[in-house]
Amino acid sequence: ELKVEQNPLFLSMQEGKNYTIYCNYSTTSDRLYWYRQDPGKSLESLFVLLSNGAVKQEGRLMASLDTKARLSTLHITAAVHDLSATYFCAVKGPSGNTPLVFGKGTRLSVIA
Amino acid sequence: DSGVTQTPKHLITATGQRVTLRCSPRSGDLSVYWYQQSLDQGLQFLIQYYNGEERAKGNILERFSAQQFPDLHSELNLSSLELGDSALYFCASSDDRAADTQYFGPGTRLTVL
Repeated sequence: ELKVEQNPLFLSMQEGKNYTIYCNYSTTSDRLYWYRQDPGKSLESLFVLLSNGAVKQEGRLMASLDTKARLSTLHITAAVHDLSATYFCAVKGPSGNTPLVFGKGTRLSVIA
Repeated sequence: DSGVTQTPKHLITATGQRVTLRCSPRSGDLSVYWYQQSLDQGLQFLIQYYNGEERAKGNILERFSAQQFPDLHSELNLSSLELGDSALYFCASSDDRAADTQYFGPGTRLTVL
């Protein structure tokens, strides 16, 4: 059974600082997704990572994937208040029709 | 705006009742997914339909059922509602291409009193 673990689950960081959120998963996968959710809102797709070594960047967020280590990271550079949200990673299982399995999410709070 | 629409936005009902949640996928997407999000269980996959047929099933209770119609919209039916069914219910759709990214609708917040 595919399990996805994120850490930390809660993160309070100062504006301007850098930090990394980690996403570990338990079985082979070739697709990993990062989503953002604001309180009471829907999930917004941030990145999809399809191969080992894939790196995607958008603004102050950069995501990477190491399929051998079964690890993805979401790196935040010079955090700003607007990045405050919950970030989820989701992993698709190895066979064709397996659904996405989501981590519990990392609640990020950026403070001045 | 993801292009996925869901109605209603909010639903308040009593235990034992039955409700129907509706979802319209993005134009051209054949797959529809239903998820339940609650504080204690997190985001749980319920069921997937592809072009009218059930493709994958997750932690969906027997009291819940879904279908996808020829125009590709989908409905999630929840019956014999219990207090614990109170949650946010999301629908997502995808184009089933290489990236297969799921795009989420705005959700329906269900409150069972």
